[in-house]
Amino acid sequence: KAGVTQTPRYLIKTRGQQVTLSCSPISGHRSVSWYQQTPGQGLQFLFEYFSETQRNKGNFPGRFSGRQFSNSRSEMNVSTLELGDSALYLCASSLVFQGSYEQYFGPGTRLTVT
Amino acid sequence: AQTVTQSQPEMSVQEAETVTLSCTYDTSESDYYLFWYKQPPSRQMILVIRQEAYKQQNATENRFSVNFQKAAKSFSLKISDSQLGDAAMYFCAYLHGSSNTGKLIFGQGTTLQVKP
Repeated sequence: KAGVTQTPRYLIKTRGQQVTLSCSPISGHRSVSWYQQTPGQGLQFLFEYFSETQRNKGNFPGRFSGRQFSNSRSEMNVSTLELGDSALYLCASSLVFQGSYEQYFGPGTRLTVT
Repeated sequence: AQTVTQSQPEMSVQEAETVTLSCTYDTSESDYYLFWYKQPPSRQMILVIRQEAYKQQNATENRFSVNFQKAAKSFSLKISDSQLGDAAMYFCAYLHGSSNTGKLIFGQGTTLQVKP
C-alpha cells in the first residue's frame, strides 16, 4: 500500500497570506490527524478528522482550520500567516478499527513564512 | 491532562551495543496506547513500536523492545545491536484509548547518536 502523502513538500509564503496544505491517507484509513512541529514547541496536535467530522482540536487559534473529504483526503488551511507559523506540518492517518490505532505519518510540509 | 516526558535530550551508543531511551508519562486513564516513533534527518516519522496499556507483556519488534512499567508510568525503549541507521530523534507518544480522538501527545524527543 502507498503511504501517507502530503503536498506540497515545501512552501514559502509572506506574512498575511493564507496557505492550504493537503494530505492523502493510506487507503482504507478514515482518520487523519495534523501536527505542527517546531524546534521550540516540539510536536503539537492541531486537529483530527474522522469520516469528514472534526473530532478533536488542539490549542491553536481560529486561523488554523481543516476539513476532510469523502475519500478521507484532508486539507488544512492557515489564514493571515504569521512568522511564528513557520514549521513542519505533519499529517498522520489511522485505520481506527479493531484496536488498530497507530498513526502513520506523511513526509511533512515545510512552511516558511517571511 | 496527560503529559509525556523524555528526560534525555541526547544519547549516544557505540555501534553493535545496546542503548535504552527513557520515557515517563502521566495520566489518570486506564485505557491508552504508547508508541515510540523515530524521526531521522529526512524528518519522516516512522513508527517503531506500540504497547497497549492493558497488555502486561512488553512489546518487541526485532531489535527494539520496550520495558512497560504501568504502575510507575514508565515506557522505555531498548535498542539492541545498534546500527548506524538507528541514528535519529526518538519520540515517545501517548494516545488515549477509549475516546480515541486521534490526539497523540509527544515527549520532547531524544536525539540518538550512533558511533562507528
